[in-house]
Amino acid sequence: DAGVIQSPRHEVTEMGQEVTLRCKPISGHDYLFWYRQTMMRGLELLIYFNNNVPIDDSGMPEDRFSAKMPNASFSTLKIQPSEPRDSAVYFCASSPSRGEHEQYFGPGTRLTVT
Amino acid sequence: GENVEQHPSTLSVQEGDSAVIKCTYSDSASNYFPWYKQELGKGPQLIIDIRSNVGEKKDQRIAVTLNKTAKHFSLHITETQPEDSAVYFCAASRPRPGGYNKLIFGAGTRLAVHP
Repeated sequence: DAGVIQSPRHEVTEMGQEVTLRCKPISGHDYLFWYRQTMMRGLELLIYFNNNVPIDDSGMPEDRFSAKMPNASFSTLKIQPSEPRDSAVYFCASSPSRGEHEQYFGPGTRLTVT
Repeated sequence: GENVEQHPSTLSVQEGDSAVIKCTYSDSASNYFPWYKQELGKGPQLIIDIRSNVGEKKDQRIAVTLNKTAKHFSLHITETQPEDSAVYFCAASRPRPGGYNKLIFGAGTRLAVHP
């Protein structure tokens, strides 16, 4: 298996622009998570999906952030409009619904908003 | 609220020595404790995990111990090698409907193994 796939790996954009981050979870995993990692706040859970349905978005910082999962193999995290304080590494992770429910992380997208 | 504290924040050891990283958690209902290794430019990688019905788990050079009474758990790496150098994160999770794990992460420990 290729693992969790994220694109792009790096994104540099100007303040006010729309940013879309993409994720392909591991095939067969029923849970998908979006995390943000910063030096100040560490790893934070933003939102998670179960069977393509958003279950808990309490970690989404504000209305500028939105996430979708149109099917079992694809999810997006959108920031509109972007701000410099959104600069961070964004990780997608997926987990099976059986067994130990381990979470497997993708390589991340490093976002820089200037 | 749920909180996980991790110590030390940085750890430097000589190759071949042991390294120990400790975490404490606040939620007594937590029952799943994974450890992740994050190398530069990569995502966190699960290296070992333990559930609350077990006190210790080993996998080659790494082991995790859990003390439910004291609410702390530790990662032990023996015979460290330069390739063990990375940031290590502990996490804790309590049972959730549907069985998924909402991981609460520690702040991380930067381990440097010097040849």
